Amino acid sequence: GAGVSQTPSNKVTEKGKYVELRCDPISGHTALYWYRQSLGQGPEFLIYFQGTGAADDSGLPNDRFFAVRPEGSVSTLKIQRTERGDSAVYLCASSPDRGDETQYFGPGTRLLVL
Amino acid sequence: GQQVMQIPQYQHVQEGEDFTTYCNSSTTLSNIQWYKQRPGGHPVFLIQLVKSGEVKKQKRLTFQFGEAKKNSSLHITATQTTDVGTYFCAGRRQQGGKLIFGQGTELSVKP
Repeated sequence: GAGVSQTPSNKVTEKGKYVELRCDPISGHTALYWYRQSLGQGPEFLIYFQGTGAADDSGLPNDRFFAVRPEGSVSTLKIQRTERGDSAVYLCASSPDRGDETQYFGPGTRLLVL
Repeated sequence: GQQVMQIPQYQHVQEGEDFTTYCNSSTTLSNIQWYKQRPGGHPVFLIQLVKSGEVKKQKRLTFQFGEAKKNSSLHITATQTTDVGTYFCAGRRQQGGKLIFGQGTELSVKP
């Protein structure tokens, strides 16, 4: 079956602009995660959804970052007033249930803020 | 806050040599997972360890979880060029909690 997909694969934007990054989890997976990975670092947790609700958003760095999952499937990570420091690969992962299981990662969206 | 440290940052080996990466947490973990990320790729799950002192093997890979559940290691016997990539440990402080990733160990293998 299809894995986790993310669009776009690459996004170049200018400082101050708004961006949306999309994640399509594996069908039937109730848990969805967003991570940010900078070069040479491990993935950094941003937010975790169980179904439609954000179970843990403690990793969102500030109020410019927001994520939704309105129907419990596709999720969108939204970044307002982008800054150069937001440049990174944004990874999405999903898992079948409550979150202690294998996380299946998507290919990521490489965001570059000029 | 909770931190997961991983060493070494880089390891260069000759094909056939062994390789070990170590992971240490500042707090006791509920469980720990290991992932592999190939250059240009995304993390791929390898294994999860839950019990104190647990040892699991996958072919040439041996994973250990410390008795105190604060450290873990991954050992690869007789490395091959297909082992190239970055290996990450990721721990949870509590069941169902968020995964905290280490910085990873980048393995290169010279044929």
